[in-house]
Amino acid sequence: GAVVSQHPSRVICKSGTSVKIECRSLDFQATTMFWYRQFPKQSLMLMATSNEGSKATYEQGVEKDKFLINHASLTLSTLTVTSAHPEDSSFYICSATRDGKNIQYFGAGTRLSVL
Amino acid sequence: QKEVEQNSGPLSVPEGAIASLNCTYSDRGSQSFFWYRQYSGKSPELIMFIYSNGDKEDGRFTAQLNKASQYVSLLIRDSQPSDSATYLCAVNGYTGNQFYFGTGTSLTVIP
Repeated sequence: GAVVSQHPSRVICKSGTSVKIECRSLDFQATTMFWYRQFPKQSLMLMATSNEGSKATYEQGVEKDKFLINHASLTLSTLTVTSAHPEDSSFYICSATRDGKNIQYFGAGTRLSVL
Repeated sequence: QKEVEQNSGPLSVPEGAIASLNCTYSDRGSQSFFWYRQYSGKSPELIMFIYSNGDKEDGRFTAQLNKASQYVSLLIRDSQPSDSATYLCAVNGYTGNQFYFGTGTSLTVIP
């Protein structure tokens, strides 16, 4: 299957700082990437859909100014959590679909802990 | 009504038994159907996808799709303790780039 790399796998930061998470498709071009958040023992929650070269589409209730998404190339999308607060602590997971295919492949996830 | 519904479980089966996981979806125009496995603390991992009515087998896993009844199921034969995880059903909507995930079914295989 396709490989999606997500970095970092874990980050601990102080409240008020910004954190950038990278999502890369290693062996294919990903025209669309998705960003999810998952709280403990809860289901995946789609935050936004990211299309290469255009603005991301955010789900209702997700603050676009707080969760900045950039999909500057066909292999890289980034999520920046700005001014992180303890309530932003969660498991953030990206996924990507190959061009012309509709199968989502997931990165390993980033566990964010905001102190 | 949720787009994709799954029984949250937990579902417990003894080792060696068949585990049956079910999922229903609301969008009759859905085209593609997926099963993901998610171990605790890890991200989802694709197990199978199915596009056409009927069964699709891959090793110990069989996906079954019935578009008329709008359900998709996953059978795991000869269940192993390592199969203990949460299984997510996902459906690709008619527009192609919309995916809907169920809340997942927690499976425990008892040695």
